[in-house]
Amino acid sequence: GAVVSQHPSWVICKSGTSVKIECRSLDFQATTMFWYRQFPKQSLMLMATSNEGSKATYEQGVEKDKFLINHASLTLSTLTVTSAHPEDSSFYICSARDTWGTEAFFGQGTRLTVV
Amino acid sequence: AQSVTQLDSQVPVFEEAPVELRCNYSSSVSVYLFWYVQYPNQGLQLLLKYLSGSTLVESINGFEAEFNKSQTSFHLRKPSVHISDTAEYFCAVSDSKTSYDKVIFGPGTSLSVIP
Repeated sequence: GAVVSQHPSWVICKSGTSVKIECRSLDFQATTMFWYRQFPKQSLMLMATSNEGSKATYEQGVEKDKFLINHASLTLSTLTVTSAHPEDSSFYICSARDTWGTEAFFGQGTRLTVV
Repeated sequence: AQSVTQLDSQVPVFEEAPVELRCNYSSSVSVYLFWYVQYPNQGLQLLLKYLSGSTLVESINGFEAEFNKSQTSFHLRKPSVHISDTAEYFCAVSDSKTSYDKVIFGPGTSLSVIP
């Protein structure tokens, strides 16, 4: 199956700094990628839909100025958590659907800890 | 808009016993249905999916799920569980056949296999 690579797998940062997470589709082109957030013992909540060459579509309640999404190419989307605070600590997961759109492939996730 | 319900948040079961994890969905259009498994501190892995055709789908590790349109259900079953099956299981739905549609997840069911 298709492979989605997410980097880094974990990151610790100081409060007030920004963190960038990369999501790459390794063997297919993804015009659309999705960013999810998962709190401990909870399900995945969709944050935004990332569209190549255009602005991301954010879900209700997600601050677009805090979670900046850039989808500059067909194989790369980035999520930048700006001015991170401890409450932003979470597990962030990206996904992309393959060319046929039948299945969503997920990255391995990034565990962000803000101290 | 579509949604997914997983009625059981936690399911403890003894090793080698059968298990059923329940999933119900709501959608106004035809759907794709998925079961994903997540092991601790890891990303998601696709367990099985229903796209069309036979309503009974199987995974390589003994799980199966049956799509029931009239009951809007997609329950996951395994006749004999192993310790290694202990994980979080997420049912998910996507209601379009394009690559632009997001996957919506249920709240998850934590399966604990007891030796």
